[in-house]
Amino acid sequence: SQQGEEDPQALSIQEGENATMNCSYKTSINNLQWYRQNSGRGLVHLILIRSNEREKHSGRLRVTLDTSKKSSSLLITASRAADTASYFCARESNYQLIWGAGTKLIIKP
Amino acid sequence: DVKVTQSSRYLVKRTGEKVFLECVQDMDHENMFWYRQDPGLGLRLIYFSYDVKMKEKGDIPEGYSVSREKKERFSLILESASTNQTSMYLCASSLREEGGGEQYFGPGTRLTVT
Repeated sequence: SQQGEEDPQALSIQEGENATMNCSYKTSINNLQWYRQNSGRGLVHLILIRSNEREKHSGRLRVTLDTSKKSSSLLITASRAADTASYFCARESNYQLIWGAGTKLIIKP
Repeated sequence: DVKVTQSSRYLVKRTGEKVFLECVQDMDHENMFWYRQDPGLGLRLIYFSYDVKMKEKGDIPEGYSVSREKKERFSLILESASTNQTSMYLCASSLREEGGGEQYFGPGTRLTVT
């Protein structure tokens, strides 16, 4: 069952701009993970944030988690053409991941 | 570097055929997973396995079975393929660590059932 919802479903921005994607969920989590999928590299893990963490960074990526609102956001700064992909959040529960439908991000040159 | 390989990138089968999808990981991961991915639906878990000879149903196990005879190999079986099983199939593996961890994915098998 899918219990994560990404918003927006699609996002198109100019290269160099920042992109923000949001994820909401309904039940408690151990951790929340973000993945990227493109045709070249398949589905790849980006960041894992645990329930006791509020913010995490990795290069140009910043993930926040608000457990009181049951939501997370992924910020990509200074976007590049190579960031064009679908981005998924996945809530971890009992070693399984429960996935949202994803946000399709297009970076225009 | 973790590597998860799947036996085929593209597969075309006829309705009623028995289909085997193989997945192999080389990082000694305890957990292995089979998902299907359809447009607009994200990933849906079919089956997963915590250990050799162990399997658990995911959200959509109907029409599928699995086999895990060796730790590195997890097979998905479509006993009698149907057109509604046309999809992208993704295999993943992960360590069995407390609180869960990241999953490593294979490149996927795009299966078409005609």
